[in-house]
Amino acid sequence: GDSVTQTEGQVTVSESKSLIINCTYSATSIGYPNLFWYVRYPGEGLQLLLKVITAGQKGSSRGFEATYNKEATSFHLQKASVQESDSAVYYCALSDLPGTGSNRLTFGKGTKFSLIP
Amino acid sequence: DMKVTQMPRYLIKRMGENVLLECGQDMSHETMYWYRQDPGLGLQLIYISYDVDSNSEGDIPKGYRVSRKKREHFSLILDSAKTNQTSVYFCASSWGDQDTQYFGPGTRLLVL
Repeated sequence: GDSVTQTEGQVTVSESKSLIINCTYSATSIGYPNLFWYVRYPGEGLQLLLKVITAGQKGSSRGFEATYNKEATSFHLQKASVQESDSAVYYCALSDLPGTGSNRLTFGKGTKFSLIP
Repeated sequence: DMKVTQMPRYLIKRMGENVLLECGQDMSHETMYWYRQDPGLGLQLIYISYDVDSNSEGDIPKGYRVSRKKREHFSLILDSAKTNQTSVYFCASSWGDQDTQYFGPGTRLLVL
């Protein structure tokens, strides 16, 4: 089946430094999955951060970027300069068989980001 | 205001009791979902509902059932809760066959 592997556990970075959360995927369908980053802020539900449906394209939102790399099957999330408000749990996800009516998302385990105090 | 709501937000039950988790959405989304998330694991899909009275099992349906009598409401029912059903439960919704999902804030369930 499909799977998503992302940076495990927790990542801590100093304010204004760069952040990268790695994500690699395995999709069993023929073709290209849609790729997502969701974010969950404390006390809230998951919300879509960015989505990319075309290999080679980059998605961006709130200063975060992720590039769909089909060759490496990767979709790493990056931000050049983090701040306190970015503290959250980040989830990489894929949707296999897009456009076929299959709504299922496969999620990674989540990566918690917080600033070094 | 596009929103998915969940009630209750926190719940403590004893083993063997029945549990009802409620989810609502105000976007007229056809498709709704129930997930659970346990420490160290990603979200696991319990059930999908494609519309009123049109429900399908997800990856871990055992021990759960669902009810969808109105498009805007989707309930998750645990008949005779077990301690291993202690978890955080998330509800989500999406347009038809679109894969972007909108999530509720979650319900933290503790089964003693």
